Amino acid sequence: DSGVTQTPKHLITATGQRVTLRCSPRSGDLSVYWYQQSLDQGLQFLIQYYNGEERAKGNILERFSAQQFPDLHSELNLSSLELGDSALYFCASSPGPPHNTEAFFGQGTRLTVV
Amino acid sequence: GQNIDQPTEMTATEGAIVQINCTYQTSGFNGLFWYQQHAGEAPTFLSYNVLDGLEEKGRFSSFLSRSKGYSYLLLKELQMKDSASYLCAVALGGGADGLTFGKGTHLIIQP
Repeated sequence: DSGVTQTPKHLITATGQRVTLRCSPRSGDLSVYWYQQSLDQGLQFLIQYYNGEERAKGNILERFSAQQFPDLHSELNLSSLELGDSALYFCASSPGPPHNTEAFFGQGTRLTVV
Repeated sequence: GQNIDQPTEMTATEGAIVQINCTYQTSGFNGLFWYQQHAGEAPTFLSYNVLDGLEEKGRFSSFLSRSKGYSYLLLKELQMKDSASYLCAVALGGGADGLTFGKGTHLIIQP
């Protein structure tokens, strides 16, 4: 158990819908990262939050957004869903800069868009 | 763009040694990570190299050459449970803390 909690574990929804994925980081970690993993693309970095503020953006679509709350949990919002958004979505956490230590991953949310 | 290349699949025998190579061409470099991922599960951290040389941790070792843009993960005394995907990832630095991952090497261990 990495200490990073993601809910829900599985999600099935229809095209055009909106979903919210939730992540609770390890105790004491200030940085939260979101990744998308699909079969053909591998693990893709989406976005990072550090202590409530957006710190870095990767390959995140405009239809996707995220935030980190004062209690440090984070939510990833996916809207106008398309079939191609079906993937495993991972959240990871780390203590944050300046320490470039390993990030610990949650078990992921498997999103299926039908 | 960022390029991280590793073989798609490798096969090795239980008890043997296998080396998984990774080459990278990235706009920045602030360390190289190796993660292990079993199918459908979360990636788990194996090693981190930021300076040239070899880091050893039990049965696993990782090597980095920054001038060559090259790393390898060495797994010794292979066990069946080592069958998994091995992901090479680069921290770009410069405030970009998210990792850029290669597509992973699927390692199959045969008895």
